[in-house]
Amino acid sequence: AQSVSQHNHHVILSEAASLELGCNYSYGGTVNLFWYVQYPGQHLQLLLKYFSGDPLVKGIKGFEAEFIKSKFSFNLRKPSVQWSDTAEYFCAVISNNAGNMLTFGGGTRLMVKP
Amino acid sequence: DTGVSQDPRHKITKRGQNVTFRCDPISEHNRLYWYRQTLGQGPEFLTYFQNEAQLEKSRLLSDRFSAERPKGSFSTLEIQRTEQGDSAMYLCASSLGGRGTEAFFGQGTRLTVV
Repeated sequence: AQSVSQHNHHVILSEAASLELGCNYSYGGTVNLFWYVQYPGQHLQLLLKYFSGDPLVKGIKGFEAEFIKSKFSFNLRKPSVQWSDTAEYFCAVISNNAGNMLTFGGGTRLMVKP
Repeated sequence: DTGVSQDPRHKITKRGQNVTFRCDPISEHNRLYWYRQTLGQGPEFLTYFQNEAQLEKSRLLSDRFSAERPKGSFSTLEIQRTEQGDSAMYLCASSLGGRGTEAFFGQGTRLTVV
């Protein structure tokens, strides 16, 4: 079945540690990829997106993600996390093989210890 | 303020009652999505509209769920004969349409069925 998988459900890091959150999808066809963030008590907001071109995309707040087509992956990275990055992170995909609907992974809850 | 408004923000209802939620998208957006999110899970796609046309409704959780978007502007999501399992956050999002455009989310309506 077509799906979006986020392997890490909970991640705890200390400030200044590096972050990498995994995202894999199983859709074929042309995909557009997104990472959304949900801070405590707030709505979902976009961190970054990939449509085409350079597979390394940069987003807000120092986040970046790399699209690796051969691995069906779109992992999120940040070299040095801050306490304010504590939030839940969601990977999402739109595929022309799946009705062009925006479909989310299960999310990764990140806690950054000060 | 995200630009997508949802009303009400919270709804407590007794089992068996009908509830209706409203979503006002960003005015120039022609695509509108509904999702359900339960604790610890990613947003689960329910349905979406392109203008007033409902393009995908097979993911609606049961025939107790229905959605409308008259005139391609605001949308309503109705749940008939609510059950305790319907308790969740219901999210609305809108976008300009097309696979590559960002979806903007509202704050959601939290439904509690008692």
